Amino acid sequence: DSGVTQTPKHLITATGQRVTLRCSPRSGDLSVYWYQQSLDQGLQFLIQYYNGEERAKGNILERFSAQQFPDLHSELNLSSLELGDSALYFCASSTRQGGNTEAFFGQGTRLTVV
Amino acid sequence: AQSVAQPEDQVNVAEGNPLTVKCTYSVSGNPYLFWYVQYPNRGLQFLLKYITGDNLVKGSYGFEAEFNKSQTSFHLKKPSALVSDSALYFCAVSSAGDYKLSFGAGTTVTVRA
Repeated sequence: DSGVTQTPKHLITATGQRVTLRCSPRSGDLSVYWYQQSLDQGLQFLIQYYNGEERAKGNILERFSAQQFPDLHSELNLSSLELGDSALYFCASSTRQGGNTEAFFGQGTRLTVV
Repeated sequence: AQSVAQPEDQVNVAEGNPLTVKCTYSVSGNPYLFWYVQYPNRGLQFLLKYITGDNLVKGSYGFEAEFNKSQTSFHLKKPSALVSDSALYFCAVSSAGDYKLSFGAGTTVTVRA
């Protein structure tokens, strides 16, 4: 158990809908990352927050947004969902914001868009 | 831009034999290198990292990796593979001032009994 909690574990929704994925980082970790894993694109970095502020942005679609709250949990919002958004979404956390610190991953949320 | 290449989609070895999973990287400046393992329907688990210092890094479950700056490589090794090592392995890179981890495509390791 990495200490990173993601809910829900599975989500099935229809095209055009909006969903929210939730992540609770390890105790004491200030940095949260979101990744998307799909068969065709592999592991893609979406966005990083550190202590409530956005720190880095990857290939995140405009339909997607995220935030980190004062209690350090994070939410990833996906809207106007398309079939191609079906993927495994991972949250990871680390103690610092720098790239020299390993991140610990949650078990992921499997999103299926039908 | 930083990137990682894992040239082998699959590696098959017999139990008890040495295991090597290859990784090469491209980054501006000094790299920070990581290996992660993913078991089916699970998240990624951290194995080891190279930040600075000794080129040979030891990690969890008997794995080690060697940083080679001239060849821009960071190959993962295990002297004697176990069936339980069968999983998907990812190499990742970041660098000073770049907060994200860039992952390779992954290598599926199968260890046969």
